[in-house]
Amino acid sequence: GNSVTQMEGPVTLSEEAFLTINCTYTATGYPSLFWYVQYPGEGLQLLLKATKADDKGSNKGFEATYRKETTSFHLEKGSVQVSDSAVYFCARFSGGYNKLIFGAGTRLAVHP
Amino acid sequence: DARVTQTPRHKVTEMGQEVTMRCQPILGHNTVFWYRQTMMQGLELLAYFRNRAPLDDSGMPKDRFSAEMPDATLATLKIQPSEPRDSAVYFCASGLVQGQGNTEAFFGQGTRLTVV
Repeated sequence: GNSVTQMEGPVTLSEEAFLTINCTYTATGYPSLFWYVQYPGEGLQLLLKATKADDKGSNKGFEATYRKETTSFHLEKGSVQVSDSAVYFCARFSGGYNKLIFGAGTRLAVHP
Repeated sequence: DARVTQTPRHKVTEMGQEVTMRCQPILGHNTVFWYRQTMMQGLELLAYFRNRAPLDDSGMPKDRFSAEMPDATLATLKIQPSEPRDSAVYFCASGLVQGQGNTEAFFGQGTRLTVV
């Protein structure tokens, strides 16, 4: 069925390191893809999105490119900060574009 | 500043008691989602509504869980009777979903439920 799979965490990095969190999807068609972020004690919030193949979503220094050929939407950031410590979720709509489904989440811890 | 509001933020209850969680979606949004988050299972979709009609509640244990939208400003998730395994954070989210489903979903801050 339609789903998203993301790399398991936790990911632990030093400040200013490069970040990649992998996400792949299975789908018929070309769904819109999303990255959400959850800071401690809060709900999820949209980080970025891409609605079609080759689109690049970006926000707060994070980027992700919708790659049809590899069915991927990997999240990257060139230089992470301690404040980026959070759980990151890849997501897509499924079921006739009706329900929003999430990957398992990847916890990122950035230390000074 | 439009936001999704969930009440209560925290709930501790004894096994067997009824629990009702409430959600006020953002005005104008046509879709409401209920999710449950646990360490073991991650984020699970329990049910969702479009224009107040339930579209899918296959993620919910039917014997004890029920979800309703009595009006456009209120969604409820009820557990009766509650069990310790229901302990989790329950999130409500709303969005204006049209066409190809490329819209953003806005999440509430969640209800942290502990059943003892």
